[in-house]
Amino acid sequence: EPEVTQTPSHQVTQMGQEVILRCVPISNHLYFYWYRQILGQKVEFLVSFYNNEISEKSEIFDDQFSVERPDGSNFTLKIRSTKLEDSAMYFCASAEETTYEQYFGPGTRLTVT
Amino acid sequence: KNQVEQSPQSLIILEGKNCTLQCNYTVSPFSNLRWYKQDTGRGPVSLTIMTFSENTKSNGRYTATLDADTKQSSLHITASQLSDSASYICVVRRTSGTYKYIFGTGTRLKVLA
Repeated sequence: EPEVTQTPSHQVTQMGQEVILRCVPISNHLYFYWYRQILGQKVEFLVSFYNNEISEKSEIFDDQFSVERPDGSNFTLKIRSTKLEDSAMYFCASAEETTYEQYFGPGTRLTVT
Repeated sequence: KNQVEQSPQSLIILEGKNCTLQCNYTVSPFSNLRWYKQDTGRGPVSLTIMTFSENTKSNGRYTATLDADTKQSSLHITASQLSDSASYICVVRRTSGTYKYIFGTGTRLKVLA
């Protein structure tokens, strides 16, 4: 069964550094999403991406964040100048259509020290 | 204020028993409501998606209901299994606004043998 994959599973970085989280969505899906979940808190929507551009974003998704689909298969989330409060689990998801179910990846645990 | 509240916060039941989880929301404008199952340390897995016009949807032993007038939803689990132990998350999607996907804090279910 096709699945969303994410790399790395765990990333440790120092405050102020840039990180890139990678996701490979399910191949025939057209809609891509990033979410984050701070430890012990609820999942929060960051951004959705369709047709090579951002379609929706939350207030969390400020200039520190950017997304890209560099090569038609990968979908990346870049966090510039990381802060301690960026420490969280970051989930990628993909869907065939915007109203269809989203398939989530296993997540990348980001730890900012 | 756009919020999704779930109850109970946690629940312990014996294997084979049924249970019902509640979700109340104040989100508008409403697009759809989703129930997810999230195992510890894993990404959420979609159980059901319901639009405004749907008031019940089943997925195996999971049955979700939606009352769009009272803005309430429930997830009923029949004949629980040990593998049902997880967090169950209610998510409401808005048709407009910056926070498109509003997540509840989840109900943590533990099924005991």
